[in-house]
Amino acid sequence: EAQVTQNPRYLITVTGKKLTVTCSQNMNHEYMSWYRQDPGLGLRQIYYSMNVEVTDKGDVPEGYKVSRKEKRNFPLILESPSPNQTSLYFCASGQGAKNIQYFGAGTRLSVL
Amino acid sequence: GESVGLHLPTLSVQEGDNSIINCAYSNSASDYFIWYKQESGKGPQFIIDIRSNMDKRQGQRVTVLLNKTVKHLSLQIAATQPGDSAVYFCAERGGPTSGTYKYIFGTGTRLKVLA
Repeated sequence: EAQVTQNPRYLITVTGKKLTVTCSQNMNHEYMSWYRQDPGLGLRQIYYSMNVEVTDKGDVPEGYKVSRKEKRNFPLILESPSPNQTSLYFCASGQGAKNIQYFGAGTRLSVL
Repeated sequence: GESVGLHLPTLSVQEGDNSIINCAYSNSASDYFIWYKQESGKGPQFIIDIRSNMDKRQGQRVTVLLNKTVKHLSLQIAATQPGDSAVYFCAERGGPTSGTYKYIFGTGTRLKVLA
């Protein structure tokens, strides 16, 4: 089954404790992206990757890092999480000229 | 499931009626527009798209209209069904001058289908 898998689905952590949210896709897509979703703000793009070893900033990259060492994985790293990064995070992948994106089920992060 | 927004504009529609969801986009250079549907506890799901060189595109029960003059996008759902209840987002993709694969999403509209 074609899918984008995020882990964990729920995470509660404390300020400053480094964490990684993993994202994996099995569709051999070149494009992958991370979004955060907050009430009243919709989805905002954090980072995206056009291919292996190619990453670019979205609209809200501050406080986040990503890496794309292999095609299927695109982890999101929070080196020093802060409470304003409490949010619902989505990973997506896409392919082709239209780059229709397929989204994962989301990761609910709470930073205390 | 995950809540996607506590204060979204809401459109309530009687089952069987047509629904129209509107969206204003921001970048006149955007070259591609997409509508997504998000059900509770799930990630957004692609519905229909349209390129900037078109003004209308039809799918199964859905139609997207694009008015570049006023930077407006709409999604029309024919014969709305209970399964259409969800939050709907429009998204624009920046054109070559702003980073081809950057996406900007609208804040969303909640569609409630009344039985």
